[in-house]
Amino acid sequence: EPEVTQTPSHQVTQMGQEVILRCVPISNHLYFYWYRQILGQKVEFLVSFYNNEISEKSEIFDDQFSVERPDGSNFTLKIRSTKLEDSAMYFCASSDRDRAGHNEQFFGPGTRLTVL
Amino acid sequence: LAKTTQPISMDSYEGQEVNITCSHNNIATNDYITWYQQFPSQGPRFIIQGYKTKVTNEVASLFIPADRKSSTLSLPRVSLSDTAVYYCLVGDIRNAGNMLTFGGGTRLMVKP
Repeated sequence: EPEVTQTPSHQVTQMGQEVILRCVPISNHLYFYWYRQILGQKVEFLVSFYNNEISEKSEIFDDQFSVERPDGSNFTLKIRSTKLEDSAMYFCASSDRDRAGHNEQFFGPGTRLTVL
Repeated sequence: LAKTTQPISMDSYEGQEVNITCSHNNIATNDYITWYQQFPSQGPRFIIQGYKTKVTNEVASLFIPADRKSSTLSLPRVSLSDTAVYYCLVGDIRNAGNMLTFGGGTRLMVKP
């Protein structure tokens, strides 16, 4: 069964450093997303991406964040200057419209980001 | 966006049927009801989705009354591996690419 993959599984960085989280969505999917989950809290939407541009973004997704699809398979989330409060599990997801038009999203296993 | 309310936690025993109810009093005409499951340290996983009446798949059943102000996820004969957080989401997902809005979910603990 096809699945979303993410690397690395765990990233430790110093405050102020740049990090890039990588995702390989399911190959025939067209819509891509990033969510995050701070330990013990709910899953929060960050950004959605379609046709090489951002479709929607939340208030969390400020100027420190950017997304890119550098080639036909990867989807990346960059945090330019990490803050302590960026420590969280980051989930990538992808989806494609099925025949009924319902938007089931497939999530990856996540990258745990720890900012020291 | 329709707000959802579900129990914070539930306990069950192996082999029992578990029913988790979600309230969504201000659900809109175009909203669908979707349930996701999340195991510890994993991403959420789609379980089931419906608009009205009853939907059943190989994993669960979803019961939606006529007024659609609530829904019940039913897990038949749970096992220890069903221990997870279950999220009820309500939204218009007809357009592909719509964001998902997660609430706090229901933490289900299945005991031997």
